[in-house]
Amino acid sequence: DAGVTQSPTHLIKTRGQHVTLRCSPISGHKSVSWYQQVLGQGPQFIFQYYEKEERGRGNFPDRFSARQFPNYSSELNVNALLLGDSALYLCASSLNRASGNTIYFGEGSWLTVV
Amino acid sequence: KQEVTQIPAALSVPEGENLVLNCSFTDSAIYNLQWFRQDPGKGLTSLLLIQSSQREQTSGRLNASLDKSSGRSTLYIAASQPGDSATYLCAPGEGSSNTGKLIFGQGTTLQVKP
Repeated sequence: DAGVTQSPTHLIKTRGQHVTLRCSPISGHKSVSWYQQVLGQGPQFIFQYYEKEERGRGNFPDRFSARQFPNYSSELNVNALLLGDSALYLCASSLNRASGNTIYFGEGSWLTVV
Repeated sequence: KQEVTQIPAALSVPEGENLVLNCSFTDSAIYNLQWFRQDPGKGLTSLLLIQSSQREQTSGRLNASLDKSSGRSTLYIAASQPGDSATYLCAPGEGSSNTGKLIFGQGTTLQVKP
């Protein structure tokens, strides 16, 4: 079975632009979370979605938004990009929203803002 | 606010050594704790998940223990191999709101020399 898949794998954007990152969870998984990992740091939680509703949000500005579709795939959108948004964006999926489940990560999308 | 610390930040050992990676967290109200491995430029691979009611989990040469009351977890790697070289991250699952949110430390970067 395919794992968590993310696209694009790498992209370069200019300050002020908008970016959309996509994620397909493992088949049967209904919960998707997004994390930002800046170079040299551990990942930081951005959002969790379950059954198409936002269930958790980290300490990120309103420029960050996400949604989950009926097939449980998800998009992360970032508006008005800043240089500091340059990072690896990781998507994770789990069977449901309960904390007792193993969380599986994708390979990430590398975003560079210039 | 949960804070996670991993010691040491970096570790270099000769092949064949047994080693211990340490993780401490400030809030003992966690649902579980997960250990991950991250290769350079890649996503996270789940190694072990310990539920809050468990004391340890084992998978092959890996053994993870959890002492929730003292806010500590250790990852024991037996008979280390060059292929074990990677960054190891521990992540307690946030217990208060059941969002499935993981809080990460900065990781321990391990190099195993042949």
